[in-house]
Amino acid sequence: DTAVSQTPKYLVTQMGNDKSIKCEQNLGHDTMYWYKQDSKKFLKIMFSYNNKELIINETVPNRFSPKSPDKAHLNLHINSLELGDSAVYFCASSLGTYTGELFFGEGSRLTVL
Amino acid sequence: KNQVEQSPQSLIILEGKNCTLQCNYTVSPFSNLRWYKQDTGRGPVSLTIMTFSENTKSNGRYTATLDADTKQSSLHITASQLSDSASYICVVSRGDYKLSFGAGTTVTVRA
Repeated sequence: DTAVSQTPKYLVTQMGNDKSIKCEQNLGHDTMYWYKQDSKKFLKIMFSYNNKELIINETVPNRFSPKSPDKAHLNLHINSLELGDSAVYFCASSLGTYTGELFFGEGSRLTVL
Repeated sequence: KNQVEQSPQSLIILEGKNCTLQCNYTVSPFSNLRWYKQDTGRGPVSLTIMTFSENTKSNGRYTATLDADTKQSSLHITASQLSDSASYICVVSRGDYKLSFGAGTTVTVRA
């Protein structure tokens, strides 16, 4: 039974399109995150939600909009996709807000052509 | 600036051999340090957590050490197996919402 699941696993799309990635966790965690992993494998925080409230919003273009309908779900919508958006996007969750272990999803590989 | 530096960037070892990965950090204040293992095409998975008072912690063939005075941690892999081929990421927590990630060390184990 998957703890953190995100869909789709692969996304290939044209520049200028809009796309969404969905994430769900069944661990009962209060905090969820979106991370971006670039080609150099570096993981960078994008957003964090605690009990549906936004607590971290790093310097991310406003083309990226997270949405948390409930504490088990955190979706990511991206408008007007650009080539530089190509990366692997990871959803994660944790029990504690800041010091807890992160549980990651399998990642969603976005390729913008 | 809160930084985490990992070395080497990559390494290749023969199956059955040992290896040690390094993590140096300048994060302050310090709450804990975790090592994550990321298999190709998968999400990272936590291997160990080290708090300020802990020097050594083992998880099977993985042993992490922490020297909080010099702000250094290492991850030692004993008797490597093909399944150890992965990226190993060092993550340091300040205890607030900021986590500092290293760039990872890619380990390739060859038969």
